[in-house]
Amino acid sequence: DIQMTQSPSSLSASVGDRVTITCRASQGIRNYLAWYQQKPGKVPKLLVLGASTLQAGVPSRFSGSGSGTDFTLTVSSLQPEDVATYYCQRYNSAPWTFGQGTKVEIK
Amino acid sequence: EVQLVESGGGLVQPGGSLRLSCAASGFTFRNYWMTWVRQAPGKGLEWVANIKQDESEKYYVDSVRGRFTVSRDNAKNSLYLQMNSLRVEDTAVYYCARSGLRWDHTEDSWGQGTLVTVSS
Repeated sequence: DIQMTQSPSSLSASVGDRVTITCRASQGIRNYLAWYQQKPGKVPKLLVLGASTLQAGVPSRFSGSGSGTDFTLTVSSLQPEDVATYYCQRYNSAPWTFGQGTKVEIK
Repeated sequence: EVQLVESGGGLVQPGGSLRLSCAASGFTFRNYWMTWVRQAPGKGLEWVANIKQDESEKYYVDSVRGRFTVSRDNAKNSLYLQMNSLRVEDTAVYYCARSGLRWDHTEDSWGQGTLVTVSS
């Protein structure tokens, strides 16, 4: 199976900072890449699909990019409500797989 | 509004069985692929299985293949996960999620989850 590796596993940043999370696939997955946000004690929420398409209702400070094996999720200006764990997920072939997650905290 | 409500979780002994259900509303259930995803306590997300609209295609993660069976009843707007030969490592919150009209779509709506605990 294709493995997804996220980095970093955790980060701490200040409000207003630009934050970037990377996700690397062990094989090319074209643009079949999604990003999820999971706040503590909550259900995962889809942020980005197709590597760069923002899901409806997601704030524009979130953006996704990449294709093939390397992908990024960027938060242009970190807000307190963005404290969460972020997961990438590939869905190019079964079984879909998630990255191990990146925990984002406020400094 | 899309609603997905899981039920059927609980405490079961290793080797036992459990059947999870997911009641869907707010969308045309029969038009969508559906998925189960799980999350062990304090751990990350793990995709478990998905099923095509007419049940003609089903896919599983290696760790559950042969033990779990995904099914659906479009007349009842319901998704199921039959879990047999349960192991301690199957302990997790199990989420039901809506996928897409095609196979190549991720999950855009999730239920609140149901907790399965496998322990003696």
